Amino acid sequence: AQSVAQPEDQVNVAEGNPLTVKCTYSVSGNPYLFWYVQYPNRGLQFLLKYITGDNLVKGSYGFEAEFNKSQTSFHLKKPSALVSDSALYFCAVRDEGSGNTPLVFGKGTRLSVIA
Amino acid sequence: GAVVSQHPSWVICKSGTSVKIECRSLDFQATTMFWYRQFPKQSLMLMATSNEGSKATYEQGVEKDKFLINHASLTLSTLTVTSAHPEDSSFYICSARDRTGGSPLHFGNGTRLTVT
Repeated sequence: AQSVAQPEDQVNVAEGNPLTVKCTYSVSGNPYLFWYVQYPNRGLQFLLKYITGDNLVKGSYGFEAEFNKSQTSFHLKKPSALVSDSALYFCAVRDEGSGNTPLVFGKGTRLSVIA
Repeated sequence: GAVVSQHPSWVICKSGTSVKIECRSLDFQATTMFWYRQFPKQSLMLMATSNEGSKATYEQGVEKDKFLINHASLTLSTLTVTSAHPEDSSFYICSARDRTGGSPLHFGNGTRLTVT
């Protein structure tokens, strides 16, 4: 079975400081990992993904994430947070061998960037 | 990039009426679309997988007669909430993948349903 854990419901960070949103996963095979962002009353926007290759993945709006196989983690990071980054962030996973199946999402982490 | 259009963005209806939500893939063909429901301050709950030309696959606990899904073409899936009740009020989001493998899901902007 596939699962995703986002241990923090809320992350607060001051503008200009680095931010990290945590995610750990569980799959039986190789993972496909994704980060999405959701603004109020909107759908989810794709930020970045890890399929294979370099463990450090760079995505939209200056975000990046590091795949760590030994720790089964895929934490989202940004070197310098902006107030406009305040939103709900979702980590998602799919097993490489699972065909055209839906993603399994974490419960989401609300990021608040304070000016 | 791949775009998924969802309509309407919000709807208010009276209890007992039915509401149809449309999900279109604008620049790609989607043999499979996914419908999610999101409760306030909660994660996405997968409701069903919509398959073009065949019956939808519903997740456990989702009433298929309550939430009718039709995927009549490669670019359109519809979700109809039948005989809506206030407890059906929620945020419904559709998604589709333009390719298999590691391609991400592309999401519509969601539909806020309020049943009075």
